[in-house]
Amino acid sequence: GAGVSQTPSNKVTEKGKYVELRCDPISGHTALYWYRQSLGQGPEFLIYFQGTGAADDSGLPNDRFFAVRPEGSVSTLKIQRTERGDSAVYLCASSRGSGGRSTDTQYFGPGTRLTVL
Amino acid sequence: AQTVTQSQPEMSVQEAETVTLSCTYDTSESDYYLFWYKQPPSRQMILVIRQEAYKQQNATENRFSVNFQKAAKSFSLKISDSQLGDAAMYFCAYSWARGSTLGRLYFGRGTQLTVWP
Repeated sequence: GAGVSQTPSNKVTEKGKYVELRCDPISGHTALYWYRQSLGQGPEFLIYFQGTGAADDSGLPNDRFFAVRPEGSVSTLKIQRTERGDSAVYLCASSRGSGGRSTDTQYFGPGTRLTVL
Repeated sequence: AQTVTQSQPEMSVQEAETVTLSCTYDTSESDYYLFWYKQPPSRQMILVIRQEAYKQQNATENRFSVNFQKAAKSFSLKISDSQLGDAAMYFCAYSWARGSTLGRLYFGRGTQLTVWP
């Protein structure tokens, strides 16, 4: 498809388990962002990739959270030892990352709803 | 620190009428961008309109327009001729320019818009 896709759309796990959330950006987009949206809140930034490297990971809440983008396309957000407080919608966005900031728009995927029991 | 404030948790409007959603922001940057995103129940964040801080002219996209008051750090969204499909959560967002690309988005807490037939 032409848009950002995220899998799974919903994930239910137990406290303490490990989860992986996948993001497939728009083809050709070099910039990729992860956000977390808790109930009743706006999205909060987690991490930003430019190509394969994390350009800004200042939003990751602690060392249980990790993200990779090994080939500069698909990205995986990994959460270890999940806690109930990790329950949220995890949104991914991509942008061209080049060609000038006047046209640099972030396009979002539908998100993954993570529920930690 | 960058913050975005939406003081109206909920708004409602009659179909075909006009409604204005408020947003204020705080930044020490001089070169930045402002956005309004729409999030329907499907969770997909959709860009409604964007405004470059260096432009004095207010952005317009069909029925959507903004009132950008840079000195007051205010960025309101006006929806004219409201339609049932406009019902959604609306988020105001800010990003400051980082060279040729935009960085992370800072979001407000959102305004839930209801449209009555």
